[in-house]
Amino acid sequence: GAGVSQSPRYKVAKRGQDVALRCDPISGHVSLFWYQQALGQGPEFLTYFQNEAQLDKSGLPSDRFFAERPEGSVSTLKIQRTQQEDSAVYLCASSLETGIGTDTQYFGPGTRLTVL
Amino acid sequence: AQRVTQPEKLLSVFKGAPVELKCNYSYSGSPELFWYVQYSRQRLQLLLRHISRESIKGFTADLNKGETSFHLKKPFAQEEDSAMYYCALSGTSGGSYIPTFGRGTSLIVHP
Repeated sequence: GAGVSQSPRYKVAKRGQDVALRCDPISGHVSLFWYQQALGQGPEFLTYFQNEAQLDKSGLPSDRFFAERPEGSVSTLKIQRTQQEDSAVYLCASSLETGIGTDTQYFGPGTRLTVL
Repeated sequence: AQRVTQPEKLLSVFKGAPVELKCNYSYSGSPELFWYVQYSRQRLQLLLRHISRESIKGFTADLNKGETSFHLKKPFAQEEDSAMYYCALSGTSGGSYIPTFGRGTSLIVHP
């Protein structure tokens, strides 16, 4: 079956531009996560949705970052007024259940964002 | 605060040699620990988790609470094991689980 998909796969933005990154989770998956992965580092948690509810956004680095999942399926991560330090791979993952401590997360291929 | 440390950025071995990828964690409660793997040009995927106590592709990992470690081991490395390996911990924060990843160890298995 289809896995988690993300688009675009690559995005180049000029500093100050707004960007929107899309995630299509596996159909029926309740939980959805966004991570930021800088070069040479592991994924860092940004935010978590259970259906359409954003239950945790403690990892969002600033108020320029905003995520939504209005209908409980597709999610969008928006970054306003991009800065060079926003350059990273943004990963989306989904899981079937809500017990996120133990449930398997399925990752998308990521979106590589480069801010010039 | 929870933290995952993978001290080796790169581990290079020959085929057939034993492999141990180190992972140490810091967490005040009872953690859930995982190993994820990313093969070249593929997405990140779960390899194994400590609660399952299973062996996947010959890899095992034992949670040692005394040493706060969750090292990944394989007795005989294969070339196809070459990949990035990430240790991860799920704890609790404000009632929800926040996954924390280590920086990863690149395993290269030479023929």
